[in-house]
Amino acid sequence: DGGITQSPKYLFRKEGQNVTLSCEQNLNHDAMYWYRQDPGQGLRLIYYSQIVNDFQKGDIAEGYSVSREKKESFPLTVTSAQKNPTAFYLCASSIEELWKAEAFFGQGTRLTVV
Amino acid sequence: AQSVTQLGSHVSVSEGALVLLRCNYSSSVPPYLFWYVQYPNQGLQLLLKYTTGATLVKGINGFEAEFKKSETSFHLTKPSAHMSDAAEYFCAVSEIQGSQMLVWGQGTRLPINP
Repeated sequence: DGGITQSPKYLFRKEGQNVTLSCEQNLNHDAMYWYRQDPGQGLRLIYYSQIVNDFQKGDIAEGYSVSREKKESFPLTVTSAQKNPTAFYLCASSIEELWKAEAFFGQGTRLTVV
Repeated sequence: AQSVTQLGSHVSVSEGALVLLRCNYSSSVPPYLFWYVQYPNQGLQLLLKYTTGATLVKGINGFEAEFKKSETSFHLTKPSAHMSDAAEYFCAVSEIQGSQMLVWGQGTRLPINP
């Protein structure tokens, strides 16, 4: 079955650590996105990529980094520069730009700083 | 810039009652409009979308929404709520002109009372 897989489902980070969240899709979609979700704030865009080897900052990119070396994969690194990383992170993909196409979401990764 | 307002962060209904979730947007140019649903600890799933054509849009699980240009609204309705409808619902609006990015509402949580 085609879909988006995020791993791990739960992740715990110590202060000062970098952690990487995985996102893999087998839908053959060009566009991929990372969102952060906090209670009562909806979804905020961190980074997006519309093609391999290219990505753009979203609204809250500070403290995060991404890569897009393969069409199927769009990992997100939460760096120690991100001061409040505890949140639910969602990866999405779409066949064309998200503003006109359906987004397919992964199950999310819940990151907690301990 | 485009903004999206969902009236009510929590809307509680009883099983069998009408579901009405409100969404208003700010753009003067008719945008593309989406409703997504998120079940607990899951990603988001598209319920329905409006791009052009008929203003009453039918989606999955018995939901529908009507685009009203004069009211800049895209309210989501379902005639009779089921327990399985308990979830969080997000309205999203995209700008066909300008940034062409998707703007999300803050979400409305819908518990269903037995």
